[in-house]
Amino acid sequence: GDSVTQMEGPVTLSEEAFLTINCTYTATGYPSLFWYVQYPGEGLQLLLKATKADDKGSNKGFEATYRKETTSFHLEKGSVQVSDSAVYFCALGGGADGLTFGKGTHLIIQP
Amino acid sequence: DAGITQSPRHKVTETGTPVTLRCHQTENHRYMYWYRQDPGHGLRLIHYSYGVKDTDKGEVSDGYSVSRSKTEDFLLTLESATSSQTSVYFCAISGQGAGEQFFGPGTRLTVL
Repeated sequence: GDSVTQMEGPVTLSEEAFLTINCTYTATGYPSLFWYVQYPGEGLQLLLKATKADDKGSNKGFEATYRKETTSFHLEKGSVQVSDSAVYFCALGGGADGLTFGKGTHLIIQP
Repeated sequence: DAGITQSPRHKVTETGTPVTLRCHQTENHRYMYWYRQDPGHGLRLIHYSYGVKDTDKGEVSDGYSVSRSKTEDFLLTLESATSSQTSVYFCAISGQGAGEQFFGPGTRLTVL
C-alpha cells in the first residue's frame, strides 16, 4: 500500500537557518502530494501541495517540488523564524479515500 | 478557514462506555473523514464518507462506527470505549480540487 516516510525529529535550528525536511513516498498511480503544519493544540493546516511530477508548491516562504524519479517531496525554507516551530506532516493522496500521512517532523527554531 | 467544528473538544470517559464525537461543516463539501492522531503514528484514517449515508472503512476502523444523515454532519461512535482509543480525533473535509483536505480543531479523548 501507499506509505510516506519522513524523519520525526525533533529538528532544532537557529533562527534564519536554512530548512530541509525530507519526505519520500511509495504509491501506486500518480498521487497528489501535500505538506501540512500543526501548531500546538491546533488542527492541521494545509501548507502547500503539488498535483503532478515537477510541480512546485509554495506558500509563506516554504517550497517543495514533486520529484517522481526520486519519489520525494522535500520541504525547504531559506530562512526560518521562531514562529515556524511546529510539527510538519507530509501526505499523499487526492482520491476520495483519504490521505496517507507520514509520522510528522517536530521542528524547533531557537532565537 | 474552512468552517469545520468538532464537539466536544475534550472528553474523559470510562472503559466500556459509549462515546459519540460530532463533526459539523458549513462548506457543503461532499467528502468527510475521521482520523486519529497518536505519537509515533502520525494520522491514521478511521472512516470516511463520500455522501449522505455513504461511508467506508479506513485503516483503523475496528471498534468505531460512523453515520452521516446530513451533508453537514459526520458522527463517530465508539460503541464501548477502550483505553487504546485514547487519542486526538480529527475530522476533515474535502470538496473540489486536487484532493486537499481541511481539518477541524480536534477532540482530545481520554478513556480511563
